[in-house]
Amino acid sequence: DAGVTQSPTHLIKTRGQQVTLRCSPKSGHDTVSWYQQALGQGPQFIFQYYEEEERQRGNFPDRFSGHQFPNYSSELNVNALLLGDSALYLCASRPEWSPSTDTQYFGPGTRLTVL
Amino acid sequence: DAKTTQPTSMDCAEGRAANLPCNHSTISGNEYVYWYRQIHSQGPQYIIHGLKNNETNEMASLIITEDRKSSTLILPHATLRDTAVYYCIVRGYYNAGNNRKLIWGLGTSLAVNP
Repeated sequence: DAGVTQSPTHLIKTRGQQVTLRCSPKSGHDTVSWYQQALGQGPQFIFQYYEEEERQRGNFPDRFSGHQFPNYSSELNVNALLLGDSALYLCASRPEWSPSTDTQYFGPGTRLTVL
Repeated sequence: DAKTTQPTSMDCAEGRAANLPCNHSTISGNEYVYWYRQIHSQGPQYIIHGLKNNETNEMASLIITEDRKSSTLILPHATLRDTAVYYCIVRGYYNAGNNRKLIWGLGTSLAVNP
């Protein structure tokens, strides 16, 4: 049983460019969350997707957008990249049927470097 | 979500128990204590969670004080592979309103030494 997978592993972009990161959730999981983790910091919540809709959003600008597909996989898009967007981007999945507690499974992350 | 306080760093000898403390003095009655860890440059890994009672699984034990204002994660026989940043997170019911995010602090950097 594959866990959460993310692609690509590493990515280098220049300021102003756009980037798309991809995530496949753990088998049986239908909810996907995205986090940004700057060096030396804890992860920061970007947003969560369920049933192909954004259900909750953290304090991130509209340059950050996402999508969830019918097979539950998800994409994170970042437009007009800034140097400060350089970070490890983490995808986490969980089964929606787990109603009250929240055990999330994380992928290995995508390391984005903006030059 | 309640704020948590953890020591910045700790050391532990290989084979000994690692006891990682977490203070959450403002925790409310319906909030759980979760522990995750993150090995360098990898995604975080769930360890354990609890509400009131002490919990144990194959990875660790979680001891929650009776007043629930603090807890301790115990790795009974630490190995070099347990070297990681350990995060203590307090949160309420997942499906209660806009409560679907985990709020992370800086965690405790645990170094297990040979």
